[in-house]
Amino acid sequence: NAGVTQTPKFQVLKTGQSMTLQCAQDMNHEYMSWYRQDPGMGLRLIHYSVGAGITDQGEVPNGYNVSRSTTEDFPLRLLSAAPSQTSVYFCASSSRGLAPGELFFGEGSRLTVL
Amino acid sequence: KNEVEQSPQNLTAQEGEFITINCSYSVGISALHWLQQHPGGGIVSLFMLSSGKKKHGRLIATINIQEKHSSLHITASHPRDSAVYICAQNRDDKIIFGKGTRLHILP
Repeated sequence: NAGVTQTPKFQVLKTGQSMTLQCAQDMNHEYMSWYRQDPGMGLRLIHYSVGAGITDQGEVPNGYNVSRSTTEDFPLRLLSAAPSQTSVYFCASSSRGLAPGELFFGEGSRLTVL
Repeated sequence: KNEVEQSPQNLTAQEGEFITINCSYSVGISALHWLQQHPGGGIVSLFMLSSGKKKHGRLIATINIQEKHSSLHITASHPRDSAVYICAQNRDDKIIFGKGTRLHILP
């Protein structure tokens, strides 16, 4: 049981380049989400999904796209990277239903945009 | 203003001390989470609770729904407890995080 798998762990981009952060979970969780973590800011929600085919914006969605074509995968796309997107990114998942479930996080992806 | 407030922001204590980290929130919740993040490391879930008290080893989490307040206690603290502790609440379809409490336990 791998839990939440997030790749890559490290990435350096030049301004204007695009990339995709991958997130996959094998726990059949309905809820998946992406956060960025910046010093002094805590974790901020970028996008989230409550099930396949359903996505919604979080607190800081600008510059990021997501899709949820399967229950397992929730990739985060940066279409044109900017230095302000330098951050550590975390993917998380949990079960839903009548009561929310425990949160499971990926190991994080450290992105530097030059 | 962050809707989930943690205190203190930083805490340094001697090994063996009893540690309390507090979390206050402004809106009713369905669940509250306590998470742990070691330096340079990932984030792991310690507790999820919606009422009462939970205990796991030396860690105890409590929540008071009426006062919109939760506490995380660490008994007999150890240097390996040094980490950032994060409080988070479920609200509708979102999870709102506090900014974390950085704990440093001195040997």
